[in-house]
Amino acid sequence: GPKVLQIPSHQIIDMGQMVTLNCDPVSNHLYFYWYKQILGQQMEFLVNFYNGKVMEKSKLFKDQFSVERPDGSYFTLKIQPTALEDSAVYFCASSPHWGSYAEQFFGPGTRLTVL
Amino acid sequence: QQKVQQSPESLSVPEGGMASFNCTSSDRNFQYFWWYRQHSGEGPKALMSIFSDGDKKEGRFTAHLNKASLHVSLHIRDSQPSDSALYFCAASDTGNYKYVFGAGTRLKVIA
Repeated sequence: GPKVLQIPSHQIIDMGQMVTLNCDPVSNHLYFYWYKQILGQQMEFLVNFYNGKVMEKSKLFKDQFSVERPDGSYFTLKIQPTALEDSAVYFCASSPHWGSYAEQFFGPGTRLTVL
Repeated sequence: QQKVQQSPESLSVPEGGMASFNCTSSDRNFQYFWWYRQHSGEGPKALMSIFSDGDKKEGRFTAHLNKASLHVSLHIRDSQPSDSALYFCAASDTGNYKYVFGAGTRLKVIA
């Protein structure tokens, strides 16, 4: 089936550094999402993105966070600077359609550890 | 405040048995439901969606939705060891297109 890839699978960085998480969405999908999952807790929505724009973001999507997809390449989540509370698994998702009925396809996640 | 409550936290069933999961939304805007399954080291993968009252059956999986109570359930009959995974309920809202996830139920099917 359609696959979303995420690079890297693990990332360890020092607090205050910048990190970029990369997502390779399903090829014909146009709608993209990031979710955050802290260990032992439920997955929480961060942001969705379409046509070069953030459509909606949650309160977890702090000012230090940004997303982009330059020229149809990776869909990226950048955190600058990182904080200890940013340690989590970040899941990227994409969907072919927009709306409540749209299935979202998830990648395997990137485990970010901020020291 | 969690908008989607999921139960139980964990579940063990014998091979060939029935596994059942429950999910309730506390926000009437979130009434489109998806069930996702996540095996260790992988991302969540959609099992099925349910948007209308009643039952929806796909192979060994049956979902039931009661929109009045915003309660959805998932039943797996003839459970197999390969069904052992984390099961998430996800609710989607009518206005904005994101999922709100439950905390998940960890299923173990014992051979």
